Amino acid sequence: LAKTTQPISMDSYEGQEVNITCSHNNIATNDYITWYQQFPSQGPRFIIQGYKTKVTNEVASLFIPADRKSSTLSLPRVSLSDTAVYYCLVGFPYNNNDMRFGAGTRLTVKP
Amino acid sequence: SQTIHQWPATLVQPVGSPLSLECTVEGTSNPNLYWYRQAAGRGLQLLFYSVGIGQISSEVPQNLSASRPQDRQFILSSKKLLLSDSGFYLCAWSIRHRDGYTFGSGTRLTVV
Repeated sequence: LAKTTQPISMDSYEGQEVNITCSHNNIATNDYITWYQQFPSQGPRFIIQGYKTKVTNEVASLFIPADRKSSTLSLPRVSLSDTAVYYCLVGFPYNNNDMRFGAGTRLTVKP
Repeated sequence: SQTIHQWPATLVQPVGSPLSLECTVEGTSNPNLYWYRQAAGRGLQLLFYSVGIGQISSEVPQNLSASRPQDRQFILSSKKLLLSDSGFYLCAWSIRHRDGYTFGSGTRLTVV
C-alpha cells in the first residue's frame, strides 16, 4: 500500500488559491490518487480523483506529474467554508480495502 | 438518487455494555459497504468492509464485529464495549470505485 505524506496544516485567506501537495513515493502502477474533504462531525466527501496529468472538476483541480510520486490539489479562490481537513489517498480503486486515510491536512481559511 | 442513513448520531454507553450501529443504503443495489472509525483529531481507520450479503472482511482485530444481513444493510456490533472504543464511526458505500466512497453522517460514540 502506498504511503502518503501531507502537511499537517495550512492557513490561507479568502479569495486565494490553495495548493495542497501530497507525496506518495511508492505509488504502484495501478494506483489512483483520490482527495476527500471532511468538515467537523461529518463524513469525508469525495472531491476529485486522477491517475496522471491533470484533472479538473467544478470544485478543484488535481495535478499529477509524470513520475506520479506526488500530487497537488488546487482549490481556486477559497472561502471560509473551505476550512476543513483534506485527505490524499493512493490505492487501486478495485481493491476494496486499498484506500487508506492518513492524518490529512487541516486547512484554515481566514477572512 | 442514492442515500446512506446512519444512526444514531450520538451515543453514550457504559463500559461493558453492548453496541449496535446500523447503516442502510437506498437507491442502489449490491454496494460495497465499509465501517470506519475516527479517533479525535486523527485520520480514518478502516474496520470492516463487505462486498455482499454475509461477506465480511475485518481489517483490525478487536472486540467489534460487523454483519450484513441484507444487501443494503450493514451493522457494527460489540458484545462488551471498552473505553478505547470511543470515537466517530462512519459507514460508507461505493459502487464504482473510481467515483470514490460516499459516507454517512456518522455516529459519535462515547464509552464512559
